[in-house]
Amino acid sequence: GEEVAQTPKHLVRGEGQKAKLYCAPIKGHSYVFWYQQVLKNEFKFLISFQNENVFDETGMPKERFSAKCLPNSPCSLEIQATKLEDSAVYFCASSAMKGMDQPQHFGDGTRLSIL
Amino acid sequence: DQQVKQNSPSLSVQEGRISILNCDYTNSMFDYFLWYKKYPAEGPTFLISISSIKDKNEDGRFTVFLNKSAKHLSLHIVPSQPGDSAVYFCAARANTGGFKTIFGAGTRLFVKA
Repeated sequence: GEEVAQTPKHLVRGEGQKAKLYCAPIKGHSYVFWYQQVLKNEFKFLISFQNENVFDETGMPKERFSAKCLPNSPCSLEIQATKLEDSAVYFCASSAMKGMDQPQHFGDGTRLSIL
Repeated sequence: DQQVKQNSPSLSVQEGRISILNCDYTNSMFDYFLWYKKYPAEGPTFLISISSIKDKNEDGRFTVFLNKSAKHLSLHIVPSQPGDSAVYFCAARANTGGFKTIFGAGTRLFVKA
């Protein structure tokens, strides 16, 4: 598609439950990025992929968070045993090429609410 | 540790006047800078960017200025329009280890008609 599509728009989970978020990048884009925005503050980089390979995971919490980008499937971000502090809007972005000057195109985000 | 700082949470400007949004950064490894615009319930939209080898980049009503020695950049919007009311995020990239984007906390711009 011509837009980054994120589903669901809003996800509510009880503390300790699993949460799984999905992202379909723009068709033809090889790079996918996940960001976390807590309380409308700055976006925290989590992880990036080049096709199905992890490109940079320096922002991923060591525990409970995992992500995948498999061929012919939406990319996913999964949080095990969710905590209240995981409540945030999670944005996915994609870009066509590697390069400093390549803008990232963002989806509209998934708002994750942990109760 | 905030590497990209937008110290003004909000800015209010009259329609037709100039809006100036400021951004400071601390990481001297940053060599590419971007501005994104965000409306509520939507993802950020790329607006304009500048490489560290330049000090100015202009695109229509939007101009970004970079002062490397001061580690400061600014976005000028002139003339401002009510439709420009949004949150503006300053962002930066370093040419080391991937090209993740580091964002500031944003400045909410209100353009009054």
